Amino acid sequence: QKEVEQNSGPLSVPEGAIASLNCTYSDRVSQSFFWYRQYSGKSPELIMSIYSNGDKEDGRFTAQLNKASQYVSLLIRDSQPSDSATYLCAVRAGANNLFFGTGTRLTVIP
Amino acid sequence: ETGVTQSPTHLIKTRGQQVTLRCSSQSGHNTVSWYQQALGQGPQFIFQYYREEENGRGNFPPRFSGLQFPNYSSELNVNALELDDSALYLCASSFPGSGVNEQYFGPGTRLTVT
Repeated sequence: QKEVEQNSGPLSVPEGAIASLNCTYSDRVSQSFFWYRQYSGKSPELIMSIYSNGDKEDGRFTAQLNKASQYVSLLIRDSQPSDSATYLCAVRAGANNLFFGTGTRLTVIP
Repeated sequence: ETGVTQSPTHLIKTRGQQVTLRCSSQSGHNTVSWYQQALGQGPQFIFQYYREEENGRGNFPPRFSGLQFPNYSSELNVNALELDDSALYLCASSFPGSGVNEQYFGPGTRLTVT
């Protein structure tokens, strides 16, 4: 059974701060990792993918992967109110389907 | 915008009825995956279609079935609807030859079963 665990939140940060979102997974053969952002009532939007240990940066977003510890995180720098959403962590292991966590709800306070 | 489209946007059905949901994949993508997202949960994998064949299935009963057409568009059919089938149904398109194999979601179909 593949499991992906996230803190459900809500996580509240002030505008301009760094938001840190964490995700752990149970399957050691997991190969690729994804962060999706989902606004209320909308579908998930892919914001980052990572498959090698270390950091991957894209604008204000940094994904961090540690396969030995089986965790992946997402840092959002200079958080904006428009970043307020649910962030879903997803992993792919072997097959082409994704396994999702339940998501962390982020609120950025102006 | 991902270029993935779904129809209809919303649907209300009665328990026991049948429903068909449709998805058009992003240009250049030959794989479509279907997910069910209940309120407050992450998406759960239903099945995937690649080159018109089912290419993996999650823990869903046989009354959930699908098709993929030569233009890579896809349908999800659900028979004998139950109240618990009420959810957001998402399709995602991808191109497995792209390395990381990122999946891009359509806007979803909100199904309500009464």
